[in-house]
Amino acid sequence: QVQLQQWGAGLLKPSETLSLTCVVDGGSFSGYYWSWLRQPPGKGLEWIGEINHSGSTNNNPSLKSRVTMSVDKSKNQFSLKLSSVTAADTAVYYCARGLLLQYWGQGTLVTVSS
Amino acid sequence: DIQMTQSPSTLSASVGDRVTITCRASQSISTWLAWYQQKSGKAPKLLIYKASNLEDGVPSRFSGSGSGTEFTLTISSLQPDDFATYYCQQYSGYSRSFGQGTKVEIK
Repeated sequence: QVQLQQWGAGLLKPSETLSLTCVVDGGSFSGYYWSWLRQPPGKGLEWIGEINHSGSTNNNPSLKSRVTMSVDKSKNQFSLKLSSVTAADTAVYYCARGLLLQYWGQGTLVTVSS
Repeated sequence: DIQMTQSPSTLSASVGDRVTITCRASQSISTWLAWYQQKSGKAPKLLIYKASNLEDGVPSRFSGSGSGTEFTLTISSLQPDDFATYYCQQYSGYSRSFGQGTKVEIK
Protein backbone atom coordinates (compact mmCIF):
# COMPACT_ATOMS: atom_id res chain seq x y z
CA GLN A 1 0.00 0.00 0.00
CA VAL A 2 1.37 3.37 -1.03
CA GLN A 3 0.99 6.28 1.38
CA LEU A 4 2.00 9.91 1.00
CA GLN A 5 2.41 12.07 4.09
CA GLN A 6 2.93 15.79 3.68
CA TRP A 7 3.78 18.63 6.01
CA GLY A 8 4.68 22.30 6.03
CA ALA A 9 3.76 25.68 7.43
CA GLY A 10 0.07 26.47 7.30
CA LEU A 11 0.11 30.25 7.80
CA LEU A 12 2.28 32.64 5.83
CA LYS A 13 2.52 36.38 5.39
CA PRO A 14 2.52 37.99 1.94
CA SER A 15 5.94 37.86 0.23
CA GLU A 16 7.08 34.83 2.27
CA THR A 17 8.02 31.48 0.76
CA LEU A 18 5.74 28.46 1.02
CA SER A 19 7.58 25.25 1.82
CA LEU A 20 6.05 21.77 1.79
CA THR A 21 7.53 18.27 1.90
CA CYS A 22 5.98 14.92 1.05
CA VAL A 23 7.35 11.53 2.06
CA VAL A 24 6.44 8.34 0.23
CA ASP A 25 5.92 5.08 2.07
CA GLY A 26 5.58 1.96 -0.06
CA GLY A 27 6.01 1.25 -3.74
CA SER A 28 8.78 2.40 -6.02
CA PHE A 29 10.09 5.93 -5.62
CA SER A 30 12.26 5.89 -8.73
CA GLY A 31 9.62 4.69 -11.12
CA TYR A 32 7.29 7.67 -11.01
CA TYR A 33 6.90 11.38 -11.37
CA TRP A 34 5.81 13.11 -8.14
CA SER A 35 3.34 15.94 -8.36
CA TRP A 36 2.17 19.00 -6.49
CA LEU A 37 -1.35 20.40 -6.90
CA ARG A 38 -3.49 22.94 -5.11
CA GLN A 39 -7.13 23.80 -4.62
CA PRO A 40 -8.27 27.24 -3.43
CA PRO A 41 -11.20 27.10 -1.01
CA GLY A 42 -14.38 26.24 -2.88
CA LYS A 43 -12.61 26.11 -6.26
CA GLY A 44 -11.15 23.56 -8.64
CA LEU A 45 -7.84 21.76 -8.90
CA GLU A 46 -4.67 23.36 -10.25
CA TRP A 47 -1.57 21.42 -11.23
CA ILE A 48 1.62 23.08 -9.96
CA GLY A 49 4.28 20.74 -11.32
CA GLU A 50 6.03 17.40 -11.07
CA ILE A 51 9.48 16.00 -10.44
CA ASN A 52 11.07 12.58 -10.92
CA HIS A 53 13.70 10.78 -8.89
CA SER A 54 16.54 12.32 -10.88
CA GLY A 55 15.25 15.86 -10.44
CA SER A 56 13.75 16.38 -13.88
CA THR A 57 10.75 18.71 -13.61
CA ASN A 58 7.70 19.86 -15.53
CA ASN A 59 5.92 23.01 -14.36
CA ASN A 60 2.71 24.96 -14.78
CA PRO A 61 3.80 27.96 -16.88
CA SER A 62 1.62 30.29 -14.81
CA LEU A 63 3.60 29.51 -11.64
CA LYS A 64 6.95 28.45 -13.06
CA SER A 65 8.89 31.58 -12.10
CA ARG A 66 8.00 31.14 -8.41
CA VAL A 67 8.20 27.35 -8.08
CA THR A 68 11.16 25.27 -6.98
CA MET A 69 10.85 21.52 -6.61
CA SER A 70 13.46 19.16 -5.23
CA VAL A 71 13.80 15.48 -4.44
CA ASP A 72 15.71 13.47 -1.83
CA LYS A 73 15.87 9.91 -3.06
CA SER A 74 17.59 8.69 0.10
CA LYS A 75 14.54 9.65 2.15
CA ASN A 76 11.84 9.00 -0.50
CA GLN A 77 10.89 12.64 -0.14
CA PHE A 78 10.12 15.50 -2.49
CA SER A 79 9.55 19.15 -1.74
CA LEU A 80 7.89 22.29 -3.05
CA LYS A 81 8.84 25.91 -2.54
CA LEU A 82 6.64 28.73 -3.83
CA SER A 83 8.14 32.18 -3.44
CA SER A 84 6.56 35.61 -2.99
CA VAL A 85 3.17 34.28 -1.92
CA THR A 86 0.05 36.44 -1.94
CA ALA A 87 -3.52 35.88 -0.77
CA ALA A 88 -4.21 34.28 -4.15
CA ASP A 89 -1.94 31.40 -3.13
CA THR A 90 -4.24 30.45 -0.25
CA ALA A 91 -5.26 26.87 -0.96
CA VAL A 92 -5.14 23.25 0.09
CA TYR A 93 -1.89 21.89 -1.34
CA TYR A 94 -1.61 18.22 -2.24
CA CYS A 95 1.23 15.94 -3.20
CA ALA A 96 0.45 12.97 -5.44
CA ARG A 97 2.09 10.10 -7.31
CA GLY A 98 2.47 9.70 -11.02
CA LEU A 99 0.99 11.18 -14.16
CA LEU A 100 -2.28 9.50 -13.22
CA LEU A 101 -2.29 10.80 -9.63
CA GLN A 102 -3.22 7.43 -8.20
CA TYR A 103 -2.16 8.21 -4.65
CA TRP A 104 -2.49 11.51 -2.81
CA GLY A 105 -1.28 13.10 0.38
CA GLN A 106 -3.77 14.23 2.96
CA GLY A 107 -3.57 17.88 1.89
CA THR A 108 -2.22 20.92 3.72
CA LEU A 109 -4.22 24.12 4.02
CA VAL A 110 -1.90 27.06 3.46
CA THR A 111 -3.32 30.46 4.32
CA VAL A 112 -1.59 33.67 3.26
CA SER A 113 -2.63 36.61 5.39
CA SER A 114 -1.02 39.66 6.87
CA ASP B 1 -1.44 25.46 -22.67
CA ILE B 2 -4.30 22.99 -23.10
CA GLN B 3 -7.57 24.25 -21.67
CA MET B 4 -10.14 21.76 -20.41
CA THR B 5 -13.83 22.67 -20.30
CA GLN B 6 -16.40 20.56 -18.47
CA SER B 7 -20.16 20.69 -18.75
CA PRO B 8 -22.41 21.04 -16.95
CA SER B 9 -20.93 22.80 -13.91
CA THR B 10 -23.71 21.41 -11.72
CA LEU B 11 -25.98 18.46 -12.32
CA SER B 12 -29.03 17.52 -10.25
CA ALA B 13 -29.99 13.88 -10.44
CA SER B 14 -31.76 11.11 -8.54
CA VAL B 15 -30.54 7.72 -7.38
CA GLY B 16 -30.79 5.33 -10.31
CA ASP B 17 -30.40 8.01 -12.98
CA ARG B 18 -27.95 7.70 -15.85
CA VAL B 19 -25.58 10.65 -15.69
CA THR B 20 -23.21 11.98 -18.35
CA ILE B 21 -20.51 14.61 -17.92
CA THR B 22 -18.66 16.09 -20.89
CA CYS B 23 -15.08 17.34 -21.07
CA ARG B 24 -13.60 19.20 -24.04
CA ALA B 25 -9.95 19.91 -24.71
CA SER B 26 -8.74 23.01 -26.53
CA GLN B 27 -6.56 20.81 -28.75
CA SER B 28 -6.23 17.11 -29.41
CA ILE B 29 -4.96 15.06 -26.48
CA SER B 30 -5.51 11.63 -28.09
CA THR B 31 -6.78 9.55 -25.14
CA TRP B 32 -4.54 11.10 -22.47
CA LEU B 33 -7.44 11.88 -20.21
CA ALA B 34 -8.33 10.90 -16.65
CA TRP B 35 -11.42 11.36 -14.50
CA TYR B 36 -11.39 11.95 -10.74
CA GLN B 37 -14.07 11.98 -8.05
CA GLN B 38 -13.71 14.33 -5.10
CA LYS B 39 -15.81 14.40 -1.97
CA SER B 40 -15.87 17.35 0.39
CA GLY B 41 -12.68 17.68 2.45
CA LYS B 42 -10.99 14.72 0.75
CA ALA B 43 -8.30 14.28 -1.88
CA PRO B 44 -9.52 13.34 -5.35
CA LYS B 45 -9.79 9.69 -6.31
CA LEU B 46 -8.77 8.36 -9.72
CA LEU B 47 -11.69 6.71 -11.52
CA ILE B 48 -10.68 6.36 -15.16
CA TYR B 49 -7.43 6.73 -17.09
CA LYS B 50 -6.55 6.81 -20.76
CA ALA B 51 -10.09 7.97 -21.45
CA SER B 52 -11.81 4.63 -20.95
CA ASN B 53 -9.81 2.41 -18.59
CA LEU B 54 -11.39 1.76 -15.20
CA GLU B 55 -9.03 2.07 -12.24
CA ASP B 56 -8.84 -1.02 -10.03
CA GLY B 57 -11.61 -1.14 -7.46
CA VAL B 58 -13.84 1.42 -9.20
CA PRO B 59 -17.42 0.16 -9.73
CA SER B 60 -18.35 -0.84 -13.24
CA ARG B 61 -21.22 1.66 -13.33
CA PHE B 62 -18.54 4.24 -14.15
CA SER B 63 -17.35 4.39 -17.75
CA GLY B 64 -15.43 6.78 -19.95
CA SER B 65 -15.24 7.36 -23.66
CA GLY B 66 -13.84 9.72 -26.26
CA SER B 67 -10.66 10.71 -28.00
CA GLY B 68 -9.11 13.79 -29.52
CA THR B 69 -10.94 16.75 -27.98
CA GLU B 70 -14.25 15.38 -26.67
CA PHE B 71 -14.72 13.00 -23.78
CA THR B 72 -17.53 11.75 -21.56
CA LEU B 73 -17.86 10.21 -18.12
CA THR B 74 -21.02 8.17 -17.63
CA ILE B 75 -22.48 6.78 -14.44
CA SER B 76 -24.99 4.16 -15.56
CA SER B 77 -27.10 4.10 -12.38
CA LEU B 78 -26.33 6.82 -9.85
CA GLN B 79 -25.81 5.58 -6.30
CA PRO B 80 -25.90 7.57 -3.04
CA ASP B 81 -22.10 7.32 -2.76
CA ASP B 82 -21.68 9.00 -6.17
CA PHE B 83 -22.83 12.47 -5.13
CA ALA B 84 -19.56 14.36 -5.43
CA THR B 85 -17.57 16.63 -7.70
CA TYR B 86 -15.95 15.16 -10.82
CA TYR B 87 -12.90 16.51 -12.64
CA CYS B 88 -11.34 15.64 -15.95
CA GLN B 89 -7.58 16.02 -16.35
CA GLN B 90 -5.40 15.90 -19.44
CA TYR B 91 -1.87 14.53 -19.25
CA SER B 92 -0.67 15.01 -22.80
CA GLY B 93 2.85 16.25 -23.29
CA TYR B 94 4.69 17.95 -20.45
CA SER B 95 1.85 19.88 -18.87
CA ARG B 96 -1.30 18.86 -17.07
CA SER B 97 -4.57 20.69 -16.61
CA PHE B 98 -8.00 20.08 -15.12
CA GLY B 99 -11.52 20.93 -16.06
CA GLN B 100 -13.35 23.25 -13.68
CA GLY B 101 -15.36 20.40 -12.17
CA THR B 102 -18.93 19.10 -12.26
CA LYS B 103 -20.85 18.89 -9.01
CA VAL B 104 -23.40 16.07 -8.96
CA GLU B 105 -26.17 16.98 -6.51
CA ILE B 106 -29.19 15.17 -5.19
CA LYS B 107 -32.37 16.18 -7.03
